Amino acid sequence: QKEVEQDPGPLSVPEGAIVSLNCTYSNSAFQYFMWYRQYSRKGPELLMYTYSSGNKEDGRFTAQVDKSSKYISLFIRDSQPSDSATYLCAKGGSSNTGKLIFGQGTTLQVKP
Amino acid sequence: GAVVSQHPSWVICKSGTSVKIECRSLDFQATTMFWYRQFPKQSLMLMATSNEGSKATYEQGVEKDKFLINHASLTLSTLTVTSAHPEDSSFYICSASRQGGNSPLHFGNGTRLTVT
Repeated sequence: QKEVEQDPGPLSVPEGAIVSLNCTYSNSAFQYFMWYRQYSRKGPELLMYTYSSGNKEDGRFTAQVDKSSKYISLFIRDSQPSDSATYLCAKGGSSNTGKLIFGQGTTLQVKP
Repeated sequence: GAVVSQHPSWVICKSGTSVKIECRSLDFQATTMFWYRQFPKQSLMLMATSNEGSKATYEQGVEKDKFLINHASLTLSTLTVTSAHPEDSSFYICSASRQGGNSPLHFGNGTRLTVT
């Protein structure tokens, strides 16, 4: 079992839809989480990061963490074609070193 | 704007030659940088942790003599792929954290290496 599991998709939605992207994790240590967006042939871009259970909102993006069920989500409201990308969840892999463990990434396509 | 710069963005080299990739933190000092590798349609795999002024720490299965890492200053880390072979063709991405510790990592735009 991978330490961070993420459905690779692909996920296709119409423009304006609400998108839900999800990851599960198995190791309760180092529970800090990040979501990255990666366009083709580019490096990952940090979207959201959170260290606690609950919701964190930033514009159209909401990151949700449920530590009791080891489940993290990213919601995208009013999705746009420009949101079409691969979304990677990441979890801390150790303390004080910044090592991250990534999910496989979910490919999202938002159709106009 | 970008906080981590990576160069070159793509490179093609012949089998047996060596290739150097640079990673710079643009407006902060990074005592630690990370080098990742990504195959098509796959996630990022950590190769090594680059430590300023000391030896890099390699992940299990990564050949340290194959992938030489030098972190000579607080803003520059380099990855040299030595005696490259076609199986080394991949997307290499570096990252660094502004605050260090558990603060978020920022990534460079990656280097696509093709070995012919």
